[in-house]
Amino acid sequence: DTAVSQTPKYLVTQMGNDKSIKCEQNLGHDTMYWYKQDSKKFLKIMFSYNNKELIINETVPNRFSPKSPDKAHLNLHINSLELGDSAVYFCASSQETGGYSPLHFGNGTRLTVT
Amino acid sequence: DAKTTQPNSMESNEEEPVHLPCNHSTISGTDYIHWYRQLPSQGPEYVIHGLTSNVNNRMASLAIAEDRKSSTLILHRATLRDAAVYYCILNQAGTALIFGKGTTLSVSS
Repeated sequence: DTAVSQTPKYLVTQMGNDKSIKCEQNLGHDTMYWYKQDSKKFLKIMFSYNNKELIINETVPNRFSPKSPDKAHLNLHINSLELGDSAVYFCASSQETGGYSPLHFGNGTRLTVT
Repeated sequence: DAKTTQPNSMESNEEEPVHLPCNHSTISGTDYIHWYRQLPSQGPEYVIHGLTSNVNNRMASLAIAEDRKSSTLILHRATLRDAAVYYCILNQAGTALIFGKGTTLSVSS
């Protein structure tokens, strides 16, 4: 069974549209994250949730809104998509935030905005 | 910002050991040293982590300097599948992992 799964794997859309990416983890972890990897391959933290509560928000535009219906799910909704939003988005989870807890990543969602 | 320094790239031959260095001179007492790798077209994968003592697992070994200002990830026998970007990251409780540029490891047969 996949520990951290993201859907869809690929997402192609036009500027101005609204889209969502879903993430689910079956590891029983308390903390979930969204990371963005741009074309230069830099991985940047966007958000972190612990037990459905937002704990890290790294200067991400308001167009990005994470939603955690329960601690096993962290979805990412993006409004008014822009060309610069094109990237690979990775979801991850860990038992706790930081410290000794390793992160488990999904395989990513490649978003292309045209 | 990432608080570690790694070489941009390294090369290795298959079945030989690989030593990937990482400098973290500003490490604090509560920072864990984590290593992740990212294979092409995949998400980052946890490799190993440690605090003060050397660590071994089925994937690799982590050697931590006595002053903790540097560490080395050791792959005992490189395979083609080990070709990836390797990230050395300091991880504090309550914070998210901050990825740097990492080291791109190439493995030749």
